[in-house]
Amino acid sequence: EIVLTQSPGTLSLSPGERATLSCRAGQSVSSSYLAWYQQKPGQAPRLLIYGASIRATGIPDRFSGSGSGTDFTLTISRLEPEDFAVYYCQQYDSSPMYTFGPGTKLEIK
Amino acid sequence: QVHLVESGGGVVQPGRSLRVSCAASGFMFRRYGMHWVRQTPGKGLEWVAAIWFDGTNEDYADSVKGRFTIFRDNSKNTLYLQMNSLRVEDSAVYYCARDHLASSGYYFDFWGQGTLVTVSS
Repeated sequence: EIVLTQSPGTLSLSPGERATLSCRAGQSVSSSYLAWYQQKPGQAPRLLIYGASIRATGIPDRFSGSGSGTDFTLTISRLEPEDFAVYYCQQYDSSPMYTFGPGTKLEIK
Repeated sequence: QVHLVESGGGVVQPGRSLRVSCAASGFMFRRYGMHWVRQTPGKGLEWVAAIWFDGTNEDYADSVKGRFTIFRDNSKNTLYLQMNSLRVEDSAVYYCARDHLASSGYYFDFWGQGTLVTVSS
């Protein structure tokens, strides 16, 4: 099982600032198999990014994903009030097996 | 518009059974693989089970293998999770989620709102 760690655990920023969220895998993950989700309180997760860098339908272009191997990054270029939420990375490997990171909480400073 | 609505959650005693359902609408249900994913405050998000578009292939997390069964009724656009021999650690919000492929793909492109299952004596 590939373990994902996310950092920081909590990120405190102000609207308009840039957010950089990290996801690190315990072993190499194909870029095709790395996704990011956003979850707001009381809501289901929403797909943001798949294939490490491809925005899902309807996702604003202030969200971008990058990375390869064991290190992946979700960047939000200019934070909007609605972006404050918890963000999870997720990977797929054979079996099939899907694992999620513990999440980064993005809170308003 | 893709819509997934879970139901059937509740409080159940350890060792007992429970079936949760997921009603799908807004897309051709029979063309997509489907999953169950659960979430707890302590363990976060955990993938539980997957089923191919036609029900011919199922996969399970080791934590539920042999106790849970995923199945679907494409004539009713509904996904199910039969949970037997429930344990306290199975308590969670259970989400159904659509695969981006007909089989088991790499990510989940739509999620339902979840149903809460509490296993407690």
